[in-house]
Parts: sequence; C-alpha cells; structure tokens
Amino acid sequence: NAGVTQTPKFRVLKTGQSMTLLCAQDMNHEYMYWYRQDPGMGLRLIHYSVGEGTTAKGEVPDGYNVSRLKKQNFLLGLESAAPSQTSVYFCASSLPPGREQYFGPGTRLTVT
Amino acid sequence: AQKVTQAQTEISVVEKEDVTLDCVYETRDTTYYLFWYKQPPSGELVFLIRRNSFDEQNEISGRYSWNFQKSTSSFNFTITASQVVDSAVYFCALSEAKNYGQNFVFGPGTRLSVLP
Repeated sequence: NAGVTQTPKFRVLKTGQSMTLLCAQDMNHEYMYWYRQDPGMGLRLIHYSVGEGTTAKGEVPDGYNVSRLKKQNFLLGLESAAPSQTSVYFCASSLPPGREQYFGPGTRLTVT
Repeated sequence: AQKVTQAQTEISVVEKEDVTLDCVYETRDTTYYLFWYKQPPSGELVFLIRRNSFDEQNEISGRYSWNFQKSTSSFNFTITASQVVDSAVYFCALSEAKNYGQNFVFGPGTRLSVLP
C-alpha cells in the first residue's frame, strides 16, 4: 500500500516548456487535489476532482490544466511554464466529505 | 469566505518545554471540519487530527493535545514536553461541509524549532 505517489520528484524547466506531473493513489479515494506550496503562503489549491472524469478549479488555477481519466490518477499539466510557477507541488486524496487528505511526497519544480 | 489564521510565524523552545500553536478560523457554515498537519524538514505532510464542528471535546494523543473552542473560533495545538523531533512546520486547515472539495483552506503555518 503505497498511499499517494508523485512523479517526478524534481524537475527544472525553461520558460515556455511544458510538462505533466503524475499523481497516483491506491486508497480508492474519490477526491483528489493539486496544491502548490510557496514560502510563507501555506498550501493553495490549484485544481481538484470529485471523481473519475471530473475536474474543477481551485484558488489558483491559471496556467495549469488537469485530467482525471482514471480514478487512481490525477495529472497536472503546465502548457507553457513561467518562473512564477516555480514551487513545490503536492497531490492529495481523500474520502468525502470532510475527511482528512493524504498527501504525496511533493514535486519540486524550478522554472528558469 | 473561510479563512485560517496562524498568527505565530515562528516559535523556538528548548527541549522539554510545553508549546501551544494557535489557530483561529473564520467560517459562515455551521458544519465544518478542522485539521492539523505536520511538515517536518523532510517535506512530507503528515495528518495529525481532524475535528468536526459538533464535537468540542478536547483531544489528547500522547504528548499532543488539541483545544477546540467554537466561542472563540480557535483550534489550538499543544505539545507537552517538546522534543527535537517535533521541529517542523505545523498547518491548521478548515473545510466547510458544503462544496467540500473547493473549500479546504490551509493557514500559513507555524514553524516550530525545538532546541536541544
């Protein structure tokens, strides 16, 4: 039982490049989330999904897209990376409603 | 709109001291959930506790205890006899029952340093 896993762990991109972050969970959770963590700002919700085939915008969705084609996977895409997207990205999953979220180990992304 | 405030940005204590981390929240919902997470230097986020708005009983788990007071909209976290391994950033979070997925909000975190 791996919980929530994220790939890759680290990535450096040049401005304008694209990439996809993969999140996988083996807990059969309905809800999945993508957050970014920046110094002094806690965690901010980018996008979330309440079930397979559904996605919705969170607090800071601009510049990101997501897809949830399978219940266990939640992908976060950056179509044209910008230096402002340098951050640590966390994926999480949970059972609804009001249940705790379980987090992946994070992906450190640097955009130069 | 919901909001979580953790007024203490950083706290330093000496090992074996007790320390309380403050969390104040704002919500208009009557049904909501409160959480505490720990983020050690290794970076992962570890779930510590969940409380729903109808349960104001204090909780104790080993050296950790939580005090939930709806009258002051606070959900404070106390570590008794702190240890170096407690050094971490601690986040308080709030989720309203309606529109659950969208309404999970974290506070900015409190960095706790426990010195030997």
